[in-house]
Amino acid sequence: EIVLTQSPATLSLSPGERATLSCRASQSVRSYLAWYQQKPGQAPRLLIFDASSRATGIPARFSGSGSGTDFTLTISSLEPEDFAVYYCQQRSISRTFGQGTKLEIK
Amino acid sequence: QVQLVQSGSELKKPGASVKVSCKASGYTFTTYAINWVRQAPGQGLEWMGWINTNTGNPSYAQGFTGRFVFSLDTAVSTAYLQISSLQAEDNAVYFCARVEGSGNNEFGYWGQGTLVTVSS
Repeated sequence: EIVLTQSPATLSLSPGERATLSCRASQSVRSYLAWYQQKPGQAPRLLIFDASSRATGIPARFSGSGSGTDFTLTISSLEPEDFAVYYCQQRSISRTFGQGTKLEIK
Repeated sequence: QVQLVQSGSELKKPGASVKVSCKASGYTFTTYAINWVRQAPGQGLEWMGWINTNTGNPSYAQGFTGRFVFSLDTAVSTAYLQISSLQAEDNAVYFCARVEGSGNNEFGYWGQGTLVTVSS
């Protein structure tokens, strides 16, 4: 099973700041990596697919990069609605999710 | 528009069974597989597996074999998750999900989630 390790577990930032979230895979997942945002009581929302493509309707402040085993989700300037939990997920072999990064207001 | 609407919360006793439904609308049901994802209280997301809505063939992720069964009723565009011999560890919200399509093979559509509580 491919294990995805996200860091940091919690990230404390202020609105307007830049957020950088990491996801490392235990083996190469090529570019088959997605990012989701989840707010309390809601289903996850797809942000990024195939490592760097924004899903429909996702603002340009969200961007993804990486390939192989190391991936990054960047939020260029945090809006109040961006504070949530973020998960990476691979579909190279079966599907697995990372354990999540909580982005909280500082 | 594409919608996945799940059945309501369930409260079950240990050892009982539960069946969660996921009704699809806004597209041809048999075009896209239905996946299931579990989220225990305060925890992360776990992919449980998927069912081919064209053939009815299920595929289960590690840790979700034996007590978990995916099924379909294509006549009403509905997928089901049945869990038998419920245990405390099955306390979770269960989501159904479908890929976005059009070259995007990630989960762009989700049900609202069904809370399953196992308690005596």
